[in-house]
Amino acid sequence: GAVVSQHPSWVICKSGTSVKIECRSLDFQATTMFWYRQFPKQSLMLMATSNEGSKATYEQGVEKDKFLINHASLTLSTLTVTSAHPEDSSFYICSALRGGNTGELFFGEGSRLTVL
Amino acid sequence: GIQVEQSPPDLILQEGANSTLRCNFSDSVNNLQWFHQNPWGQLINLFYIPSGTKQNGRLSATTVATERYSLLYISSSQTTDSGVYFCAGGPYNQGGKLIFGQGTELSVKP
Repeated sequence: GAVVSQHPSWVICKSGTSVKIECRSLDFQATTMFWYRQFPKQSLMLMATSNEGSKATYEQGVEKDKFLINHASLTLSTLTVTSAHPEDSSFYICSALRGGNTGELFFGEGSRLTVL
Repeated sequence: GIQVEQSPPDLILQEGANSTLRCNFSDSVNNLQWFHQNPWGQLINLFYIPSGTKQNGRLSATTVATERYSLLYISSSQTTDSGVYFCAGGPYNQGGKLIFGQGTELSVKP
């Protein structure tokens, strides 16, 4: 299968600071990447669609100014949680789409964010 | 939007037993995948199966697209099969994104 790498795996930050999470597709080019969020014992909730070279598309209820997404190249998308608060603590998982709209999604290892 | 319903929500098996997990969709999907989430949170791709049947070792999956459901079969279960199994489907014309079910938490006892 394809390889998607996410960094950092875990991060602890103080309330009010910003945190950047990187998602890289290592062995294929990904025009489209997706960011998901997962709370303990729950499913994955789609946050936004990241398209290379254009603005991200956010799902309803997701604050675009809180969660900044940049997809600067065909292998890298970043998620920045701005002015983080304890309620932003969660498991964030990125995925990269291989093969177009009917293609297969491959997921990164996830990043566990804890905001103190 | 599309609703994805998985059953059962929890399942406890004795090692060596077989099981069937089900995934129902409220509408037709463009693509369909099954994942296993390990204890560290990593999602492992099991099957990409918009339709038809596939097998990989002790696992197999069948999707009946016309009836909007998919099944995941686990045979001769092992303790390492424990974890959460998710199915996810992609709505048509929405750029490949996947909507996830709530998952089935499987525990295989030795």
